[in-house]
Order: sequence, then C-alpha cells, then structure tokens
Amino acid sequence: KAGVTQTPRYLIKTRGQQVTLSCSPISGHRSVSWYQQTPGQGLQFLFEYFSETQRNKGNFPGRFSGRQFSNSRSEMNVSTLELGDSALYLCASSLGRGTNTEAFFGQGTRLTVV
Amino acid sequence: SQQGEEDPQALSIQEGENATMNCSYKTSINNLQWYRQNSGRGLVHLILIRSNEREKHSGRLRVTLDTSKKSSSLLITASRAADTASYFCATDARAGGTSYGKLTFGQGTILTVHP
Repeated sequence: KAGVTQTPRYLIKTRGQQVTLSCSPISGHRSVSWYQQTPGQGLQFLFEYFSETQRNKGNFPGRFSGRQFSNSRSEMNVSTLELGDSALYLCASSLGRGTNTEAFFGQGTRLTVV
Repeated sequence: SQQGEEDPQALSIQEGENATMNCSYKTSINNLQWYRQNSGRGLVHLILIRSNEREKHSGRLRVTLDTSKKSSSLLITASRAADTASYFCATDARAGGTSYGKLTFGQGTILTVHP
C-alpha cells in the first residue's frame, strides 16, 4: 500500500509570508504527527492529530498550526515566516491507538525562507 | 529538547564490518524505535522494540534494550555501502502520560560505509 505522502517536496518563501504543507497518511492510519528537523535542533515534535483533533502539541510558537480532515489528511501552516523556520518538515503516520504502534514518515518538505 | 543521546556521533567502517550505535534516554518509555535517514530525506522505519523486550532482530539488524540503564543499541552486521546514512533512535514516552503521537529523537549517528 502507498506510504506517507508529503507535498510539496520543496518550497522557497519570503520572510513574512505564510505557507501550508500537506501530508497524506497511510490508508487506515488516523494519527498524523509533524516534526521540524534542523541541523542545530535536530528533530522536534510540533503537534499530533487524531480523528481531526489535536491531541498533543510541542513547544512551538502559535505561528505554527495544523489541522486534520475527515479522511485523515493533515495540513500544517506557518504564518509570518522567519528565516529560522527554514527546515525539513516531516510528518509521521500511525494507527494512533495502543501503546506500541510504529510511526512511518514521509519524504518531507524542505522549506527555505529567504 | 532531545531525550536521547547517541553514541558515537559519527562512525566510519569498511564494507563487511559490523556497525554498532548506542542510544541513551531519560524517561520511562513504552517503546523505542530506530530510523534511518539518507541525506536529508525522510525517515525510514527500521525496528520497534517494546519496553518489555530485551532483544529484537530484523534481517541484518539487531536491537537491544536495557530499561534499567535506559539505553539501546543497534547493530548492523555485514555492512554495505548502501547502509551509509544517519541513524536515529526515538522514544515513545507515553508510559503513564499522554504523549500522544510524540516521539523524542536523539541527535543521530552518521554512519559511513566505505566500499
């Protein structure tokens, strides 16, 4: 079956703009988590959605937001972009139930803010 | 902040040799997962080991978990040039809490396998 799909793969935006990234999870998976990866901070958790509800949130400013649709597809939005938002954004898909479920990642969206 | 510390930060070996990477973490966990990442691309899931398991195998991979020491190791046997990548451990610290969907990652080990 198809894996996790993230679009677009690459984005270049200007400071102050906003951006929306998309993630389609594996069929049957209801949990989508988002992560930011930078050389300095590594992989950091942004938030998690399950059945259209945000269940968990990391320590990021309110400029970072997300949502999940009834088909489990998720989007994340970053408003008022800053240079420091340049990163690889990864989403992970899992069943979302139980305590030992594997998380599978997409290829990521490489965001560059200039 | 990162839960895990990975050791070594970088490892360079020849094809056919074994590669061992270590991961330490700080809190109680439900499970620990290992991932591979090639050149800033997505993370590939390698293996999940539950907190009540001590060892797990998958092909050329062997993972151990010592919850008393809060540490795990990943062994890749008979390494190949194609194994060149960054390897990350990630902990699911949901035990007793509500860390839904949150994995906490180590800084990773960069493995280079020379042909």
